Amino acid sequence: KQEVTQIPAALSVPEGENLVLNCSFTDSAIYNLQWFRQDPGKGLTSLLLIQSSQREQTSGRLNASLDKSSGRSTLYIAASQPGDSATYLCAVVNSNYQLIWGAGTKLIIKP
Amino acid sequence: DAGITQSPRHKVTETGTPVTLRCHQTENHRYMYWYRQDPGHGLRLIHYSYGVKDTDKGEVSDGYSVSRSKTEDFLLTLESATSSQTSVYFCAISTGSDAGYTFGSGTRLTVV
Repeated sequence: KQEVTQIPAALSVPEGENLVLNCSFTDSAIYNLQWFRQDPGKGLTSLLLIQSSQREQTSGRLNASLDKSSGRSTLYIAASQPGDSATYLCAVVNSNYQLIWGAGTKLIIKP
Repeated sequence: DAGITQSPRHKVTETGTPVTLRCHQTENHRYMYWYRQDPGHGLRLIHYSYGVKDTDKGEVSDGYSVSRSKTEDFLLTLESATSSQTSVYFCAISTGSDAGYTFGSGTRLTVV
């Protein structure tokens, strides 16, 4: 059974720092991995989608990597800003076409 | 998100009443999903659809039914609402297994 783990569960850093959020999954047979952010009381916003054949994707200050063989993905946020404060979720589409979610990392960027 | 809307955004209803939530998309995506999100449980799949009139159950389908009579609309019905169904409900769309998911803004449902 596919399990997705996100570490840390919460993270608080000063503004301007570069940071890394981690996502690990137990079964490497995935179709893709997607990173989302969720602001309190709001919906989910897709940040980056990495196909199983890809190693990384970039969007602005965000870079997501995927190492399928080791079951890991990282989301790198450069030059963090208070507006980056949110909960970040990763999810994988497994071999049964199911979307399996991590529990999320709650990120706080202090001004 | 542009292209997917949920209605209503908020609803308070009484125990035992039927409730229908609507998800509407303008993207012509084949796949549509209903999730619920609860503290401590994350996002859980209720039902999904892989085409008009083609639906299947997710992991927490008890007490819920769905219908998809048109590509653009996916309805979630609580036949007789219970307090345990108080939650935030999200609709999502996708074009397939290689595609990402796009989520709606959610419906906050309170059953009193």
